[in-house]
Amino acid sequence: AQKVTQAQTEISVVEKEDVTLDCVYETRDTTYYLFWYKQPPSGELVFLIRRNSFDEQNEISGRYSWNFQKSTSSFNFTITASQVVDSAVYFCALSEWGTGNQFYFGTGTSLTVIP
Amino acid sequence: DADVTQTPRNRITKTGKRIMLECSQTKGHDRMYWYRQDPGLGLRLIYYSFDVKDINKGEISDGYSVSRQAQAKFSLSLESAIPNQTALYFCATSDRTGRTDTQYFGPGTRLTVL
Repeated sequence: AQKVTQAQTEISVVEKEDVTLDCVYETRDTTYYLFWYKQPPSGELVFLIRRNSFDEQNEISGRYSWNFQKSTSSFNFTITASQVVDSAVYFCALSEWGTGNQFYFGTGTSLTVIP
Repeated sequence: DADVTQTPRNRITKTGKRIMLECSQTKGHDRMYWYRQDPGLGLRLIYYSFDVKDINKGEISDGYSVSRQAQAKFSLSLESAIPNQTALYFCATSDRTGRTDTQYFGPGTRLTVL
């Protein structure tokens, strides 16, 4: 079974629109971490955020915000007022304490921001 | 300078050839990983190493081997390359000190097997 599901394969939005990328995870561990990474067209993987399972506070960083809800096993990522530079593939990942930090990646969501 | 480097960045080879991809890091992390990325499949773990003497198979280790020459170096080998090993390969490092699990990735190696 897939531990991290990113149901949205591709999303296109017009510049300045808000967009939310969904991530649903599955784990039996009580201690785990959730991550978002960005992969721009240049190909590198850029770390965006880490959340641990004990901290459900939502986080905002500039135009980025993350909504972590254990009740629905979701860790969604919202970009406000999207820009062309946000065009990339975004990956959600899960790391379980019990499996020694092995990462499980979702299949990614490709975001295109149209100018 | 980048904290995690990979060489080569691009490689085209033929079926049956032996290939080695190298990864070096200056982050001082104990843990290193090799992943491959295929379109639509995300990243899949090939091998990981928690220290020089500890190497573990990941989800898709068949056809690959690794060597952890030092804390800072982790190499991935394809003993006899085949076309379905064409992919983008990433090395990553992490440090669990203080429960920090974040993995930091190298720039990737694009491998094409003809």
